[in-house]
Amino acid sequence: NAGVTQTPKFQVLKTGQSMTLQCAQDMNHNSMYWYRQDPGMGLRLIYYSASEGTTDKGEVPNGYNVSRLNKREFSLRLESAAPSQTSVYFCATRGTWNQPQHFGDGTRLSIL
Amino acid sequence: GENVEQHPSTLSVQEGDSAVIKCTYSDSASNYFPWYKQELGKGPQLIIDIRSNVGEKKDQRIAVTLNKTAKHFSLHITETQPEDSAVYFCAASAGSSNTGKLIFGQGTTLQVKP
Repeated sequence: NAGVTQTPKFQVLKTGQSMTLQCAQDMNHNSMYWYRQDPGMGLRLIYYSASEGTTDKGEVPNGYNVSRLNKREFSLRLESAAPSQTSVYFCATRGTWNQPQHFGDGTRLSIL
Repeated sequence: GENVEQHPSTLSVQEGDSAVIKCTYSDSASNYFPWYKQELGKGPQLIIDIRSNVGEKKDQRIAVTLNKTAKHFSLHITETQPEDSAVYFCAASAGSSNTGKLIFGQGTTLQVKP
């Protein structure tokens, strides 16, 4: 997706390892979001950042931390990965209040 | 907590037929309802959205209707084509749309048979 870049695209971890998922946007958007997508459960919000310098918990924040490094970048960290965190992770951004969210193409994470 | 229910989970139609996907939401403060299309290996892409001050919105073959009283909204795709095959997600804003927080439905896999 043009504008929202997620790295890496794929990753395999062992239980207990740590990992940081990166998201960068060049859309000059204020808000950024991290979701996880599991089969049959849609997308669930993990954390979000309404603007640079602020972060808030979403529906499923346990086991994750985030950093809004600057306006462009919003990272998601797994300190001690667990098999239950195997999922596809999506980053999204939003400009002003009346604009929709734009998604990246995801990071596919497997934890063994 | 806030919840969005989406039905059906799978939908198969013949090319040229119409497809309808329905969602219900629980938060009466929700005022923004987007629909996303997700193709295999890609992120969700917005196809249409509607705000609570409007009952219906159309964009070519796609339309969305909203019934705030009943707290449900629907996606209608007419004259379906094979390239419409994908997973579709509805979403509702968590409360007002100020934070941008969205609650997603579980998704509908649409298959359009040639």
